[in-house]
Amino acid sequence: KAGVTQTPRYLIKTRGQQVTLSCSPISGHRSVSWYQQTPGQGLQFLFEYFSETQRNKGNFPGRFSGRQFSNSRSEMNVSTLELGDSALYLCASRLRLARDTQYFGPGTRLTVL
Amino acid sequence: AQKVTQAQTEISVVEKEDVTLDCVYETRDTTYYLFWYKQPPSGELVFLIRRNSFDEQNEISGRYSWNFQKSTSSFNFTITASQVVDSAVYFCALSDPSVGSGNTGKLIFGQGTTLQVKP
Repeated sequence: KAGVTQTPRYLIKTRGQQVTLSCSPISGHRSVSWYQQTPGQGLQFLFEYFSETQRNKGNFPGRFSGRQFSNSRSEMNVSTLELGDSALYLCASRLRLARDTQYFGPGTRLTVL
Repeated sequence: AQKVTQAQTEISVVEKEDVTLDCVYETRDTTYYLFWYKQPPSGELVFLIRRNSFDEQNEISGRYSWNFQKSTSSFNFTITASQVVDSAVYFCALSDPSVGSGNTGKLIFGQGTTLQVKP
């Protein structure tokens, strides 16, 4: 069974632009979560989607948003990019909500210049 | 507040040495899950183990073993006879109880321990 896939793997943007990252969960998994990883803050939870609904949200500004489609694929969007948004963005999927293990994708490395 | 502390920032060992990675957690919940993930240079977080708060039995998987002690809020990870391929960043994580349901996908991660295994 294929793992979690994320596209693109690398992205370079400039300040003020917006970006959309994509995540395809493991087949059959209905929950998708997003995390931001930076050297300074470590791994931080952004949000989780299940059945096209946002279930949980981390402590990030409104510039960070996401959505989930009926096939469980998810996208996250960051508007008005700032230098501090440079990070590895990791997506994770799990089967359901009930305490299932999350499996992570390879991440998208975003660099904001 | 929920928190995970991995006090060891970097560990360097020579191949075949045993190494233990420490993890201490804080949580207000009585039902929670603890995890270990491995992050090789490629960046992907690889799931290693999940343990729930009611199961204090130690676990062994090949060269890997885990020691969960609720009394000290610790969930330590030991690699026996380390190999160069074990070089990676290792993260301990705690499920956020979030309203006590345990259903949240939010994991609280420690800062990670970078393990370097030299040949």
